[in-house]
Amino acid sequence: RKEVEQDPGPFNVPEGATVAFNCTYSNSASQSFFWYRQDCRKEPKLLMSVYSSGNEDGRFTAQLNRASQYISLLIRDSKLSDSATYLCVGNGEGRRALTFGSGTRLQVQP
Amino acid sequence: GAVVSQHPSWVICKSGTSVKIECRSLDFQATTMFWYRQFPKQSLMLMATSNEGSKATYEQGVEKDKFLINHASLTLSTLTVTSAHPEDSSFYICSASPNPRTSGKTYEQYFGPGTRLTVT
Repeated sequence: RKEVEQDPGPFNVPEGATVAFNCTYSNSASQSFFWYRQDCRKEPKLLMSVYSSGNEDGRFTAQLNRASQYISLLIRDSKLSDSATYLCVGNGEGRRALTFGSGTRLQVQP
Repeated sequence: GAVVSQHPSWVICKSGTSVKIECRSLDFQATTMFWYRQFPKQSLMLMATSNEGSKATYEQGVEKDKFLINHASLTLSTLTVTSAHPEDSSFYICSASPNPRTSGKTYEQYFGPGTRLTVT
């Protein structure tokens, strides 16, 4: 079983739609989680950290549920520029290295 | 701030040759650098963790004699793919992490733009 699992998509949504991605992780000792965004043939860029209390950054809301070991990302009012692959990322116990999910591809259509 | 560069951005080489990829932290000191590899439509997979001045720690299944990592300074790490073969063709990405004692963030990493290696 992969440490971090995501639905690969693609999610095709119209502009203005709200879309949600989920991800599950298997290592209960993982402490920190993040959502990264990766554009085609580019390096991943940090979108936001994820906290149990939930956190919001503009149109983006992230949530961590430790009991169920899942992480979510909600994007409101989707823009064409949101089209990318969204990577769910966590770290293992005692490790600074990050473990990446395989990514969920989002395509926002006009 | 927190810029990481990689060189070259892409390289094409013949089977059997060696290729060196450089990863530099431009405006901060990176006590730890990580090397990842990403095949098409797959996730980033950690290859090794490199701490300045010590030997790299390789992930299971990654051949340390084939992928030579050197982290001789706080701003430079190199990955050398020795005797490259077509199956080594991939997108190699490094990330650099500042000292968590000074940054206050244990998992802070900054990614380089990646190096696309094609072995013919």
